[in-house]
Amino acid sequence: DTGVSQDPRHKITKRGQNVTFRCDPISEHNRLYWYRQTLGQGPEFLTYFQNEAQLEKSRLLSDRFSAERPKGSFSTLEIQRTEQGDSAMYLCASSPTSGRDYNEQFFGPGTRLTVL
Amino acid sequence: AQTVTQSQPEMSVQEAETVTLSCTYDTSESDYYLFWYKQPPSRQMILVIRQEAYKQQNATENRFSVNFQKAAKSFSLKISDSQLGDAAMYFCAYNGDSNYQLIWGAGTKLIIKP
Repeated sequence: DTGVSQDPRHKITKRGQNVTFRCDPISEHNRLYWYRQTLGQGPEFLTYFQNEAQLEKSRLLSDRFSAERPKGSFSTLEIQRTEQGDSAMYLCASSPTSGRDYNEQFFGPGTRLTVL
Repeated sequence: AQTVTQSQPEMSVQEAETVTLSCTYDTSESDYYLFWYKQPPSRQMILVIRQEAYKQQNATENRFSVNFQKAAKSFSLKISDSQLGDAAMYFCAYNGDSNYQLIWGAGTKLIIKP
């Protein structure tokens, strides 16, 4: 088990461009979460999947943001028409639904987005 | 809505000494989980310790222990025998029984003085 992975680790883009991030959770975890973290702050919840179903979305997730988890494995987060305010670290986490680690969220290294 | 407050933006401690990080939260739920996560500089978030609200006994993990006061809605983290590797941002987080997202405090930056 290699843990939660995220790709890319860093992304620099120009305002108005679209970007897509990928998250690969721990293989046996069926819950997957996306958070956004700005410098010096705690993470803010964006969205949550159980298997392929997107069960919860934050009001932070504007129309420009979309997330998918098509086969209940990896997930993508797309930001359209990026704005400078989108610059942040985007964190992905996964968790199991049973067992000793129930309810513990395991985090990936994050994707740092810089919008110029 | 649930909230988590960490009132100490920064704390410093001498190596080998003990430090306590504060966290308070607000909720109307009776069943929930509380967590302390550690985020070293440029490294990923890792779990330090967790506490289930229904358990009266305070959680401990080696040098890390919590003081969970449910009535006061307080959840502090004590780090004993501080080590240089403990230097990081520490986040307190809440997870209610009715949803699965984590609600986070603003974090406390812990500095270890050699």
